[in-house]
Amino acid sequence: QQQVKQSPQSLIVQKGGIPIINCAYENTAFDYFPWYQQFPGKGPALLIAIRPDVSEKKEGRFTISFNKSAKQFSLHIMDSQPGDSATYFCAASIKGGYALNFGKGTSLLVTP
Amino acid sequence: KAGVTQTPRYLIKTRGQQVTLSCSPISGHRSVSWYQQTPGQGLQFLFEYFSETQRNKGNFPGRFSGRQFSNSRSEMNVSTLELGDSALYLCASSLGHGVQYFGAGTRLSVL
Repeated sequence: QQQVKQSPQSLIVQKGGIPIINCAYENTAFDYFPWYQQFPGKGPALLIAIRPDVSEKKEGRFTISFNKSAKQFSLHIMDSQPGDSATYFCAASIKGGYALNFGKGTSLLVTP
Repeated sequence: KAGVTQTPRYLIKTRGQQVTLSCSPISGHRSVSWYQQTPGQGLQFLFEYFSETQRNKGNFPGRFSGRQFSNSRSEMNVSTLELGDSALYLCASSLGHGVQYFGAGTRLSVL
């Protein structure tokens, strides 16, 4: 069963827009929440990650918002560019564990 | 520093055969994890090795096995291949908790 639910499945935004991808989880033992970006023919690459003791983390144009009480977290991409077109995965893992539980992914297309 | 290297990049096998995939982690990384990626199921955790010991295992049948060598290189084996085993197999290496770096994967096609 999918431990991390991700939405939407696909997303189209215009250049400069702010796509938002949402994830939800049930297991309160999760304590590490990374986001990965994957281009066709490549493996996933770590984009940004957050732990539940902070509500927001920003790295460049990428921001994670984390709501511990709702068990939800989201990725915002500011000033999106066509080069951001890729598949994005959220994930979660349990403290001390190395098994990442991935969402099903969101295919993002940024149009010029 | 070289990244995670997976070989071969592509494989074609027939049902019933077995296959071995290889993964060389980032230098200094002692943890290697394997994932299966399919369009239907997404990315699913197979198993993780640390210092030659399997520490975690996902929900896959016993046909899927792995091992890790003293130099941290890892191999994954799938026996008695089924059509449903066609997937991209990804290896990830790690130095610390949660931060995993992925290779480009091996695409396995079972005919």
